[in-house]
Amino acid sequence: GENVEQHPSTLSVQEGDSAVIKCTYSDSASNYFPWYKQELGKRPQLIIDIRSNVGEKKDQRIAVTLNKTAKHFSLHITETQPEDSAVYFCAPGSGNTGKLIFGQGTTLQVKP
Amino acid sequence: EADIYQTPRYLVIGTGKKITLECSQTMGHDKMYWYQQDPGMELHLIHYSYGVNSTEKGDLSSESTVSRIRTEHFPLTLESARPSHTSQYLCATKPPGSHFNYGYTFGSGTRLTVV
Repeated sequence: GENVEQHPSTLSVQEGDSAVIKCTYSDSASNYFPWYKQELGKRPQLIIDIRSNVGEKKDQRIAVTLNKTAKHFSLHITETQPEDSAVYFCAPGSGNTGKLIFGQGTTLQVKP
Repeated sequence: EADIYQTPRYLVIGTGKKITLECSQTMGHDKMYWYQQDPGMELHLIHYSYGVNSTEKGDLSSESTVSRIRTEHFPLTLESARPSHTSQYLCATKPPGSHFNYGYTFGSGTRLTVV
């Protein structure tokens, strides 16, 4: 089955700095690459996603880059703010089933 | 507003009891999923459904069962709860189409504690 790994598992940055989280996957059939944000006690929320025919996508302060050859994609957050503090999950998926396999999560702490 | 709802939000129950976790959505989506998540940890797929009368087991073995008699409802049942079932259970739905135009929408989850 799909093997998904995220790095780092925890990340602490100063407000205003950038944060990068990397996700490595094993299934070459994966063609959809989302990132979810989960605040403490809340449901996961989709924050950005990319499909395999695109190398990069940006939405204001967040961006996702994909290297399909190397089977990894990354989440980039610029000008971090305290409200960015949360657990971030990558969840590559493939096929018509819509099944997403979640990484183990990265806890991001943004210090004011 | 179309959304996905889970009840109860919190449940504390004794060992051996039968419980059903409810999940309903007003989005009209065919594909629905159940994930199990320990606090702050990764989500594990335990069941999914492509539509009415379709149910499949996920990647994580689970002693729970599911049913899909109506598009809107995807309940999860534990016949005999055990302390090892203590966890958060998240239900999700996905819009139609094979090109992943949109991601999952998750419910608020049910935090289950078996004592």
